[in-house]
Amino acid sequence: EAGVAQSPRYKIIEKRQSVAFWCNPISGHATLYWYQQILGQGPKLLIQFQNNGVVDDSQLPKDRFSAERLKGVDSTLKIQPAKLEDSAVYLCASSLGTDYYNEQFFGPGTRLTVL
Amino acid sequence: AQRVTQPEKLLSVFKGAPVELKCNYSYSGSPELFWYVQYSRQRLQLLLRHISRESIKGFTADLNKGETSFHLKKPFAQEEDSAMYYCALSGASNSGYALNFGKGTSLLVTP
Repeated sequence: EAGVAQSPRYKIIEKRQSVAFWCNPISGHATLYWYQQILGQGPKLLIQFQNNGVVDDSQLPKDRFSAERLKGVDSTLKIQPAKLEDSAVYLCASSLGTDYYNEQFFGPGTRLTVL
Repeated sequence: AQRVTQPEKLLSVFKGAPVELKCNYSYSGSPELFWYVQYSRQRLQLLLRHISRESIKGFTADLNKGETSFHLKKPFAQEEDSAMYYCALSGASNSGYALNFGKGTSLLVTP
């Protein structure tokens, strides 16, 4: 089966600009996650969706980051305006459900560079 | 608070040598522990989870609640094991059981 798709794969922007990332989860997966991975760190959860509802967005910097999952399938993550410290790989993952035994499948990530 | 600590950034071993990647955690409840691996130019993927008690690609990991550890072990390392390894925790206090990752250990197996 097809895996989690993300686009773009790379993005370079200047600080204060806006950027958006797109994720298409595995078909039938109700749960979708966005993680931020800064160089040298492990992935950190930004937001988790169950269908089109938000389960956890406690670590999402809501003054500049926003995410939506319209119709409970695809999702977009937006940063507006970007800061230098937002340079990172943004990973999307999906799973069948929210329980711990549901394996999370990761996309290839979008590497963002903010100059 | 939840925390996952992987003390080694880089671990280099010779092919055929035993390997142990360390992972310690702090969590007040009953955790679910995982090891994820990322091979060069590939996606992050699940290697094994403690609840399954299985051996994947020769790797095993035992949850030691007394020492709050979940070390990953393999008796004889292979060159294809070279990758980035992340220990992750999912606890009941997480809404929806999202993963809390350590910083990762880069394993290099040399011939």
